[in-house]
Amino acid sequence: GAVVSQHPSRVICKSGTSVKIECRSLDFQATTMFWYRQFPKQSLMLMATSNEGSKATYEQGVEKDKFLINHASLTLSTLTVTSAHPEDSSFYICSAKQGGGEQFFGPGTRLTVL
Amino acid sequence: AQSVTQLGSHVSVSEGALVLLRCNYSSSVPPYLFWYVQYPNQGLQLLLKYTTGATLVKGINGFEAEFKKSETSFHLTKPSAHMSDAAEYFCAVTREYGNKLVFGAGTILRVKS
Repeated sequence: GAVVSQHPSRVICKSGTSVKIECRSLDFQATTMFWYRQFPKQSLMLMATSNEGSKATYEQGVEKDKFLINHASLTLSTLTVTSAHPEDSSFYICSAKQGGGEQFFGPGTRLTVL
Repeated sequence: AQSVTQLGSHVSVSEGALVLLRCNYSSSVPPYLFWYVQYPNQGLQLLLKYTTGATLVKGINGFEAEFKKSETSFHLTKPSAHMSDAAEYFCAVTREYGNKLVFGAGTILRVKS
């Protein structure tokens, strides 16, 4: 199957700082990328959907000014958590797909905000 | 709106025993159904999927699932559990293949030796 990578795999930051997480499709062009958040012992919740070259579509309840998503190329999407707070600590997982194909998931990024 | 219910947040089986993880869904349109496995601190790996056609779907690692429209179910089974099957399993549904996935709450499978 197709490979999706995320960087970093884990990050610890101080409250109030911003953190950028990268999601890359390594062997295919991802026309659409999805960002999910998974709190401890909970399921994945979709945060936003991004199509290359256009603005992301956020799910209800997700602050677009806090979670900035950029999908500038067909192989890269970034999620920036701005002014992070401890309640933003979570496991962030991206997925990517090409056209109408299935989603391929990245390995996730563990964010801890102190 | 679509939703997924996974009965049992934790399931424990003995090594070699049958694995049965339950998933029921609700969807106003014919669904596409998925099972994913997640190992600690890792992303999701697709086990199997139902799109159209045969209702019994075989996946990786000896898992299979049967789509039963009348019961709105898509239960995951494996005849004989292996220690390496210990992980968390998520059932997911979408009404448009490749688009937004709605996940169940997950079931943690424990395999006892």
